[in-house]
Amino acid sequence: AQTVTQSQPEMSVQEAETVTLSCTYDTSESDYYLFWYKQPPSRQMILVIRQEAYKQQNATENRFSVNFQKAAKSFSLKISDSQLGDAAMYFCAYLIQGAQKLVFGQGTRLTINP
Amino acid sequence: DAGVIQSPRHEVTEMGQEVTLRCKLISGHNSLFWYRQTMMRGLELLIYFNNNVPIDDSGMPEDRFSAKMPNASFSTLKIQPSEPRDSAVYFCASSLWVRGYTFGSGTRLTVV
Repeated sequence: AQTVTQSQPEMSVQEAETVTLSCTYDTSESDYYLFWYKQPPSRQMILVIRQEAYKQQNATENRFSVNFQKAAKSFSLKISDSQLGDAAMYFCAYLIQGAQKLVFGQGTRLTINP
Repeated sequence: DAGVIQSPRHEVTEMGQEVTLRCKLISGHNSLFWYRQTMMRGLELLIYFNNNVPIDDSGMPEDRFSAKMPNASFSTLKIQPSEPRDSAVYFCASSLWVRGYTFGSGTRLTVV
């Protein structure tokens, strides 16, 4: 069974600093997709960033970037220049190519300290 | 594009009552997913549809839960009879192949 593990239930960072959220996954598949979703207090699930497993280049979206280590099955999210609006639950998720079932980790609650 | 629209946003009901949650997909999306979120269990996939056909309902907790997709743009999740342990946030999401899901705002269900 595919599993996604987020080992940090909570993280905090000072505003304007950089923070990295960890995610590991377990799969025997070679072709898949990885995602990070943000859930602010409004509870809306917002797609932050997406990575295709066949791509070696790490995905970036403005202040958000990932460190994708396929052999280690690791997919961490780096948030640069943290802003108060980044405070949220962050979920790592995994999707097998050809399937449609998105498997989520348990989430990391990120607090931004002003 | 109005996004995925869920209704109601909040629902409080008494144990034993029927509850119906509604979801309108993004136009053009071909897959529809129902998730349940609780503190204890996180995000759980209940059921998903592809092109209006139920593909995997293994996450539906028991026969009290049922889901339908009568057309390409609308789905319902029904709980009958409801129980206090059904209290959770229920999300609907839609997608177009593997581009990632777009979630609705969720329905917070409280069964008392």
